[in-house]
Amino acid sequence: DQQVKQNSPSLSVQEGRISILNCDYTNSMFDYFLWYKKYPAEGPTFLISISSIKDKNEDGRFTVFLNKSAKHLSLHIVPSQPGDSAVYFCAASLYNTDKLIFGTGTRLQVFP
Amino acid sequence: DVKVTQSSRYLVKRTGEKVFLECVQDMDHENMFWYRQDPGLGLRLIYFSYDVKMKEKGDIPEGYSVSREKKERFSLILESASTNQTSMYLCASSNPVGGEYGYTFGSGTRLTVV
Repeated sequence: DQQVKQNSPSLSVQEGRISILNCDYTNSMFDYFLWYKKYPAEGPTFLISISSIKDKNEDGRFTVFLNKSAKHLSLHIVPSQPGDSAVYFCAASLYNTDKLIFGTGTRLQVFP
Repeated sequence: DVKVTQSSRYLVKRTGEKVFLECVQDMDHENMFWYRQDPGLGLRLIYFSYDVKMKEKGDIPEGYSVSREKKERFSLILESASTNQTSMYLCASSNPVGGEYGYTFGSGTRLTVV
């Protein structure tokens, strides 16, 4: 059973526009949600996280929104740049453990 | 910065071979993890370790084993490689401070079993 779901396998956005990547989860015991970015032939790199007690966290061009009632989070990238083209993984941390559960990823392509 | 180093970027092995994937981290992290990444399946946890000589099964441990003799080193072992173990293998480490900072990943090992 997939506890963290990314239902869009791919997304294509024009440079300068907003990219919105979505993630749904099923387990109420997640205490942190994270986004990772992965380029081909490289390991994932941490991008931004949000505590389950918050509804928004912002870091430069990246903002993560959390809607606990809907069990949904989203990553907004504004403005999108060609260098943002990568696979983005949503992940969730189980309360009182150090285990992360990952979604299946969304491939973002930012075109000129 | 934490560095997680995986010994090989690319490996090609034959079916039935015993394969060792090595991972070393240099920041004294307690936790270490092995994941595999496959298209459409995301990152799936194979094994993890919270301490030296300690290991726990993840979601897909079948066909794999691990070894953690030293804190900085976590090895993944494919006892008898099969073609369905062709994948990208990712090692990660973290400290037990909760989920906020996540893991630091290595660059990955692309394993092909022929």
